Amino acid sequence: NAGVTQTPKFQVLKTGQSMTLQCAQDMNHEYMSWYRQDPGMGLRLIHYSVGAGITDQGEVPNGYNVSRSTTEDFPLRLLSAAPSQTSVYFCASSFARAAYNEQFFGPGTRLTVL
Amino acid sequence: AQSVAQPEDQVKVAEGNPLTVKCTYSVSGNPYLFWYVQYPNRGLQFLLKYITGDNLVKGSYGFEAEFNKSQTSFHLKKPSALVSDSALYFCAVRYYNFNKFYFGSGTKLNVKP
Repeated sequence: NAGVTQTPKFQVLKTGQSMTLQCAQDMNHEYMSWYRQDPGMGLRLIHYSVGAGITDQGEVPNGYNVSRSTTEDFPLRLLSAAPSQTSVYFCASSFARAAYNEQFFGPGTRLTVL
Repeated sequence: AQSVAQPEDQVKVAEGNPLTVKCTYSVSGNPYLFWYVQYPNRGLQFLLKYITGDNLVKGSYGFEAEFNKSQTSFHLKKPSALVSDSALYFCAVRYYNFNKFYFGSGTKLNVKP
């Protein structure tokens, strides 16, 4: 199994550009989520999904959109990039049947917005 | 509000000494508690979790954690630190009726030879 994969690994954008960060998992996990990691702030939840067709907002959803058309994929869209969105983005997945299931993380995408 | 706190930004220990990385959580229902480790330029890796039952939980790489309900804490411990344990450690909490994980701000562990 590949686990959780993310593409690209690195990305540089100009202010106002849009892009999609890709996330895929092959573990048949219902729950998928996106986090951003900033120094001294830990991981903050952007959006999450408990299954195909179901998404919800996390702590810091503004400026980001998600959709979940399949169990495997959970892309994160930046609509109009801003320097404040410079961060490292992590996708994670887990089984959703019980809240005590741990999450599996992808390797991350390092995004710089100029 | 549900949250988790890691009061130390950095912990330094000498190799071979015991280590403790602290974590406390806010009280709201029955929590499930997790520890993750992050090595430089990598994603987070799961170490261990507390669900219920025995307050001492054993996990990967010789780590263990002690759940203390009265102090709302879940400290990560290891009897003898290794230089290779140097990394960033995150505590996380989730509640049985809630879909969100809450992460602490992280503690950088530095194990000196």
